[in-house]
Amino acid sequence: GQQLNQSPQSMFIQEGEDVSMNCTSSSIFNTWLWYKQDPGEGPVLLIALYKAGELTSNGRLTAQFGITRKDSFLNISASIPSDVGIYFCAGQAMNRDDKIIFGKGTRLHILP
Amino acid sequence: DAGITQSPRYKITETGRQVTLMCHQTWSHSYMFWYRQDLGHGLRLIYYSAAADITDKGEVPDGYVVSRSKTENFPLTLESATRSQTSVYFCATQAGTQYFGPGTRLTVL
Repeated sequence: GQQLNQSPQSMFIQEGEDVSMNCTSSSIFNTWLWYKQDPGEGPVLLIALYKAGELTSNGRLTAQFGITRKDSFLNISASIPSDVGIYFCAGQAMNRDDKIIFGKGTRLHILP
Repeated sequence: DAGITQSPRYKITETGRQVTLMCHQTWSHSYMFWYRQDLGHGLRLIYYSAAADITDKGEVPDGYVVSRSKTENFPLTLESATRSQTSVYFCATQAGTQYFGPGTRLTVL
């Protein structure tokens, strides 16, 4: 079945640093999604990407839909303490009703 | 306008007991999902439902039962809880993207 490989699994960075994480798939997706999960909460959608090559920003966050449609990355610039959490990528194959496949998450830690 | 709610938020039970986790949405999204989240496994799909009275198994359905008599509710039942079912359970709806509830942390002793 379809699988998403998300890396890295964990990141430890200093406040103020930029962060990059990515997701690769064994098959093509038509939609890429990035979620953030704060401790004790459910995942919340950060960015949705619908077109190959698309680059979308949400504040300090930028995500890109890879040209091959098999990968996506998320960048966070100038990290702050509230960026701590788990970031999930997710992909959807064809249309709005297809199941969404989730990566295993990248846990972001920010060192004081 | 709560969107999607889950209850209880925390539950401790004993091995062998039946437990039901509730999920309610105030939208009318057709699709609803149950995931469990465990360290090292990310989000794993237990069951999903495409509409009222239509349910289907996900990746890890064993030991769980679902029903969907009304569009807005999608309860998940553990018929005889086991320690391996200790986890955080998330309900979600889908309309294009997925929207998650706050989660239920279940501990089986």
